[in-house]
Amino acid sequence: KAGVTQTPRYLIKTRGQQVTLSCSPISGHRSVSWYQQTPGQGLQFLFEYFSETQRNKGNFPGRFSGRQFSNSRSEMNVSTLELGDSALYLCASHPAFETEAFFGQGTRLTVV
Amino acid sequence: QKEVEQNSGPLSVPEGAIASLNCTYSDRGSQSFFWYRQYSGKSPELIMSIYSNGDKEDGRFTAQLNKASQYVSLLIRDSQPSDSATYLCAGHGSSNTGKLIFGQGTTLQVKP
Repeated sequence: KAGVTQTPRYLIKTRGQQVTLSCSPISGHRSVSWYQQTPGQGLQFLFEYFSETQRNKGNFPGRFSGRQFSNSRSEMNVSTLELGDSALYLCASHPAFETEAFFGQGTRLTVV
Repeated sequence: QKEVEQNSGPLSVPEGAIASLNCTYSDRGSQSFFWYRQYSGKSPELIMSIYSNGDKEDGRFTAQLNKASQYVSLLIRDSQPSDSATYLCAGHGSSNTGKLIFGQGTTLQVKP
């Protein structure tokens, strides 16, 4: 069974630009969550999607948004990038609520 | 604020010893907990899930959950240098959700 696939693996963007990250969950998993990981803040929850609906949102500004498609693939978008958005962005898929999450390889975003 | 707390370490143990990693949580409603291992520059990898009070063993790993004390631990027996990594404890922030709340992680160093 294929794991969680995130693309791209690495990105370098300039302040003010926007970026879209993609995630394909494990086949059969309908729940996808996104996390931001930085050295100072650790792993912070961004949002959770299930059946194309956002179920939860973390404490991030509105520049961070996401969506989920009917095939459970998910995208997240960050607009007007700031230097502080440089981080590892992780997507996780879940077989059900309150169960384990399986992470993709992550997208390393660097904002310069 | 629902939190999961871990000692950041580093925890240093000699090869072959037992490594003991600990985690406390504030939300008494949390039912399920997970331990992830993260190597530098990589994404978190699930190593143990625990859903009920008591011990759960898988190979060299034993997870322990004590809901009365709001305490989760991970024991690694016969520690190997390849176990050197950051270990993340996570719990579900609320019921009927995939959202995970992570501790800051404990860095484990296993010295040959």
